[in-house]
Amino acid sequence: GAVVSQHPSWVICKSGTSVKIECRSLDFQATTMFWYRQFPKQSLMLMATSNEGSKATYEQGVEKDKFLINHASLTLSTLTVTSAHPEDSSFYICSARVTGRDEQYFGPGTRLTVT
Amino acid sequence: EDQVTQSPEALRLQEGESSSLNCSYTVSGLRGLFWYRQDPGKGPEFLFTLYSAGEEKEKERLKATLTKKESFLHITAPKPEDSATYLCAVQAGGTGGGNKLTFGTGTQLKVEL
Repeated sequence: GAVVSQHPSWVICKSGTSVKIECRSLDFQATTMFWYRQFPKQSLMLMATSNEGSKATYEQGVEKDKFLINHASLTLSTLTVTSAHPEDSSFYICSARVTGRDEQYFGPGTRLTVT
Repeated sequence: EDQVTQSPEALRLQEGESSSLNCSYTVSGLRGLFWYRQDPGKGPEFLFTLYSAGEEKEKERLKATLTKKESFLHITAPKPEDSATYLCAVQAGGTGGGNKLTFGTGTQLKVEL
């Protein structure tokens, strides 16, 4: 149980274009989902908390107009990287929290490369 | 500000050589401490949640313990398949903490034959 998927698993895009990453909870409903970014050999940095039906809460230093988050249903959250630049290249990971429990279950991650 | 420090950064063990990983934390009212395993290029896999000092949890060759200042992940008779990065995270209690996790930088474990 508690399986989270992400799509795509990897994507290459050109500088200036936008990329959308999907995060789905497959066997449970998630009122809260999270988006993280991870650089090589570094830990996970929380970008934003996504609540179903409301605006996302962004961490300090994260540009909300650049990283658009939508949590339209209890099983789907999306992250759109707008006007991507090479410095946005990273490993993006989502997680979801089972309602009533504290632990987060993570997706497999999406490797974004901006050329 | 919540902080999590993990040590050592890297650990190399021989198969069967037991050891412990450390996670020291400072948090304004601990709601929970979490251990995850992360393989290269993959998302973290949930292992344990600990809530109060003195609590212990076990899963196969792994045992997690918690004190008021730190947590240990004990690995007994490790096998090569235990090789991974082990991450520790804390969640603060109270209305300000929400569901947010603060992660340490992890311990990269390699178990050799």
